[in-house]
Amino acid sequence: DTAVSQTPKYLVTQMGNDKSIKCEQNLGHDTMYWYKQDSKKFLKIMFSYNNKELIINETVPNRFSPKSPDKAHLNLHINSLELGDSAVYFCASSPDHRNTIYFGEGSWLTVV
Amino acid sequence: DQQVKQNSPSLSVQEGRISILNCDYTNSMFDYFLWYKKYPAEGPTFLISISSIKDKNEDGRFTVFLNKSAKHLSLHIVPSQPGDSAVYFCAASLKTSYDKVIFGPGTSLSVIP
Repeated sequence: DTAVSQTPKYLVTQMGNDKSIKCEQNLGHDTMYWYKQDSKKFLKIMFSYNNKELIINETVPNRFSPKSPDKAHLNLHINSLELGDSAVYFCASSPDHRNTIYFGEGSWLTVV
Repeated sequence: DQQVKQNSPSLSVQEGRISILNCDYTNSMFDYFLWYKKYPAEGPTFLISISSIKDKNEDGRFTVFLNKSAKHLSLHIVPSQPGDSAVYFCAASLKTSYDKVIFGPGTSLSVIP
């Protein structure tokens, strides 16, 4: 049973399109995250939600909008995709900040 | 500004020998440090952590050492095994931003049989 699952795993799309990546965790964690791993392999936090409330919103373009319908789900919507959005996006969850973060397998987004 | 640094992008070690992965940080407010391991096409998985009140934490073949005065931590793997070949990320969390864990760029470890 996958603890943090995200779909799709691979996504190739054209510039200007709008796409979503879905994430679900079955660990009962209160906090969920979206991380981006860019071409230089840096893992950077984008958003953090705690019990459906936005806690952290890093300097991410407002084309990126997270949506948390419940504490087990945190979806990422991206509007007007740009070439620079190509990256691996990791969903993650944790019971609290001190505990370990559990990552999903990643979603490889390629914008052409 | 890179707050967590891993200056060695890659490391090769013979099977059975010790692997030492290093990490430096710049922010003295960090109070919790973690190491993650990542295989290709998978998400990072937690390996070991250490609180700033300790200077060593051991879990089987993995030991993390923390030198607060030098703002340096290291991960020792002994003995190294081919299955340890992966990218290792050092990470740190801030007291004042409890939900934010900052990752280093990773070190790719290759354990040669």
